[in-house]
Amino acid sequence: DAKTTQPTSMDCAEGRAANLPCNHSTISGNEYVYWYRQIHSQGPQYIIHGLKNNETNEMASLIITEDRKSSTLILPHATLRDTAVYYCIVRLANNQGGKLIFGQGTELSVKP
Amino acid sequence: EPEVTQTPSHQVTQMGQEVILRCVPISNHLYFYWYRQILGQKVEFLVSFYNNEISEKSEIFDDQFSVERPDGSNFTLKIRSTKLEDSAMYFCASRRGLSNQPQHFGDGTRLSIL
Repeated sequence: DAKTTQPTSMDCAEGRAANLPCNHSTISGNEYVYWYRQIHSQGPQYIIHGLKNNETNEMASLIITEDRKSSTLILPHATLRDTAVYYCIVRLANNQGGKLIFGQGTELSVKP
Repeated sequence: EPEVTQTPSHQVTQMGQEVILRCVPISNHLYFYWYRQILGQKVEFLVSFYNNEISEKSEIFDDQFSVERPDGSNFTLKIRSTKLEDSAMYFCASRRGLSNQPQHFGDGTRLSIL
């Protein structure tokens, strides 16, 4: 599975959009990009995933560059409850195992 | 919304004792996982389980660890003889059968070895 690179930490003002970048320059054609977050040692919470196209759900939007070497998770109106560590994970979509390899993630602090 | 549930939320055990951590995955899911997170460190994969057998395991998952799906709903992680370094949060996860579907995690069991 491809390695990802994320900034260690970011701040965001409450109510503003939080844009979290991720580099995955060695991603292969059949690897998906997954985003999870972890709030204060709770279990990782699934946010969104995508392959090539941009994706949106009730939590966030995922923008994947055309060359697929990087992506951005967008929380459109960040709240204090969005303060968490955000993980970008690239995983080969197959039915063999499918483990997730977590990095250090980005610690997002949403400030009033 | 269905969720993965784990019990107990906190387990305190003497070193050398056996411990069983329990998980109830989401009901129509077919793939099951255990991860652990030592305090202040990354979430680490331990083992994946499908069709009643281990499909992949990490170096951490040595002979002291075992997993079982004893019935149609529970998924357990057993540590046979606990060590101090087994102290960690243990997370169970499950996912549906489709290959790109995400894993969904429980809130974990905090295991403290004394």
